[in-house]
Amino acid sequence: GAGVSQSPSNKVTEKGKDVELRCDPISGHTALYWYRQRLGQGLEFLIYFQGNSAPDKSGLPSDRFSAERTGESVSTLTIQRTQQEDSAVYLCASSFVGDSNQPQHFGDGTRLSIL
Amino acid sequence: QQQVKQSPQSLIVQKGGISIINCAYENTAFDYFPWYQQFPGKGPALLIAIRPDVSEKKEGRFTISFNKSAKQFSLHIMDSQPGDSATYFCAALNQAGTALIFGKGTTLSVSS
Repeated sequence: GAGVSQSPSNKVTEKGKDVELRCDPISGHTALYWYRQRLGQGLEFLIYFQGNSAPDKSGLPSDRFSAERTGESVSTLTIQRTQQEDSAVYLCASSFVGDSNQPQHFGDGTRLSIL
Repeated sequence: QQQVKQSPQSLIVQKGGISIINCAYENTAFDYFPWYQQFPGKGPALLIAIRPDVSEKKEGRFTISFNKSAKQFSLHIMDSQPGDSATYFCAALNQAGTALIFGKGTTLSVSS
């Protein structure tokens, strides 16, 4: 079956512009996660959605970052007034439920470059 | 504050050799420890995972060893192959169960 799909795969934009990144989780997966991976670094947790529960936004680095999810489907991560330090690969993952019994499956990410 | 420390940063192993990557964690409330494999341009893929009530888990050539008292766990890749060349990340599931906390990764190169 289809895996986690992310778009665009690459995005280049100028400093100060807003960007929107999209994630289509695996069908039936109720939990959705966003991570950021800076060059040569591990993944940093950004935000977690589980069903209709309030999202865990504890990883968002600033108020320029926000994310939405419609039901148990598509999610969008929005970065406003982008800065050069926002350059990274943004990865989305999904799982059946948000606990350790169900592994997180990752998409291939959106590579964001801020000029 | 980094809660999962991974070493070494890079590793070169001869084909057929054993690759060993180590991780240490700080929070004793963590109860799920996966290892992910990532190839360039791709997202991480789950390799193997362990819970702290087990000291070892083996799947094919991959083995996790877990030392709960030392708060350490390691990945062993037996009979390493050039196709194993990738970046490996250890992780721990946070106490709330909402996020994985990743180590900084180990780049493995297996020479043929």
